[in-house]
Amino acid sequence: DAKTTQPNSMESNEEEPVHLPCNHSTISGTDYIHWYRQLPSQGPEYVIHGLTSNVNNRMASLAIAEDRKSSTLILHRATLRDAAVYYCILRDSLTGTASKLTFGTGTRLQVTL
Amino acid sequence: DAGVIQSPRHEVTEMGQEVTLRCKPISGHNSLFWYRQTMMRGLELLIYFNNNVPIDDSGMPEDRFSAKMPNASFSTLKIQPSEPRDSAVYFCASRKGVDTGANVLTFGAGSRLTVL
Repeated sequence: DAKTTQPNSMESNEEEPVHLPCNHSTISGTDYIHWYRQLPSQGPEYVIHGLTSNVNNRMASLAIAEDRKSSTLILHRATLRDAAVYYCILRDSLTGTASKLTFGTGTRLQVTL
Repeated sequence: DAGVIQSPRHEVTEMGQEVTLRCKPISGHNSLFWYRQTMMRGLELLIYFNNNVPIDDSGMPEDRFSAKMPNASFSTLKIQPSEPRDSAVYFCASRKGVDTGANVLTFGAGSRLTVL
């Protein structure tokens, strides 16, 4: 399975934009890029996903590099409630292993006043 | 929508006892997943079901662990006998639709198990 690399931790000030990077240099053409986050003492929560084009939803934006070897999750205005571990995950749509959502270590985002 | 419901939220038991964790998936979701989270190993997929049928149990650590899904609205994860190294948070998740790579999982709040 293609793997992802994320920084262990990042810090942000409240009300500032946050850019969370993810490298996936071995991504295949059929891999979707998914982002989940896990708030303290809660289960993982879906944030956003994309294949080739940039994506926006009410929670965040996903910017995908043209060669798809990296992506960035963008939180436009971080709040204290966004403090969580953010996971970047690849899911292959063709091999039948898409169900195996495999979590790495993620990026722990700290948001300060 | 009540989301994925897990019970109990917290369980403390003694080594050797049987533990049963329960999960009610979101109505209409046809796939169900059991994950385990520890500090050392992070989030691990234990087993998943499609339409109540176990598809992949390769993540189940050993024979002491078993999972069932008798119907579309209920699943159990049983540990017998339990051991201290089973202490973890166990998450259940469900998904709607066929496996496309694009559909998403909804997780429950988890069951925190402590085996003394």
